[in-house]
Amino acid sequence: AQSVTQPDIHITVSEGASLELRCNYSYGATPYLFWYVQSPGQGLQLLLKYFSGDTLVQGIKGFEAEFKRSQSSFNLRKPSVHWSDAAEYFCAVGELGNNNDMRFGAGTRLTVKP
Amino acid sequence: DTGVSQNPRHKITKRGQNVTFRCDPISEHNRLYWYRQTLGQGPEFLTYFQNEAQLEKSRLLSDRFSAERPKGSFSTLEIQRTEQGDSAMYLCASRARVGTQYFGPGTRLTVL
Repeated sequence: AQSVTQPDIHITVSEGASLELRCNYSYGATPYLFWYVQSPGQGLQLLLKYFSGDTLVQGIKGFEAEFKRSQSSFNLRKPSVHWSDAAEYFCAVGELGNNNDMRFGAGTRLTVKP
Repeated sequence: DTGVSQNPRHKITKRGQNVTFRCDPISEHNRLYWYRQTLGQGPEFLTYFQNEAQLEKSRLLSDRFSAERPKGSFSTLEIQRTEQGDSAMYLCASRARVGTQYFGPGTRLTVL
C-alpha cells in the first residue's frame, strides 16, 4: 500500500531564507505526487503536482519540487520564504486510475521568523 | 467563486446528537471525496462517489456514518449518535475523471 512520510513535524526559518520540506513515499507503481498547503482552519490548496515528464515541477507562490525516483522523494523547495508562507504543508501520493487515490503525509508545520 | 464549498464551516454538538454536513463540488467534476482530518494529521480518506454511486468506503467509516450524493451533484455526510472521537475537520474534495482533487474549506466538528 502506498504511504507518505514527512520526517519534519515542524520547521522554523527566517523570512528571506531558503526552504526545503522533505517528503518520502512508498509506492509500487508510478506515483502521482502532490504538495498541498493548509492555513489554520482552512481547506487544502494545491501548490504543485507531478504526473510525468520533467522531474522538476514549478508551482504557485514560487514553490518548486523535484521528483527523485531513486530516492523515493518529492521534496518541496522555495528560494526565499515570505512571512505569508507560514502554514501546514502536506505531501500526498496517488495512482493513476485508482479511485481512492490519495494518501497524505502527517504534514510539516512551517513557522517563519521575522 | 466556482470552487468546492462546504456548509456549515463549524458545528458544535452534544454527544449523541446527529449532524449533517453538505458539500457542493466544482460543477463539472463527477468524482467527490470525503476525508477526515484530526489535529496534527493529514487528511484520511472516508468515502468516494462517482456521480451518484458510492464506490468505496474506508474502514474508518463506521455504521454511524452515512454519505449520499443523490443527484450526482452535492453530497451530504451524516454522523449519527456523535461521539467525542468524531471531533475533527471533515474535508470534501472533487475532481474530474482524471486529474487533481480540489478541496473545500472543511467543516470543523466539535462534539462536547
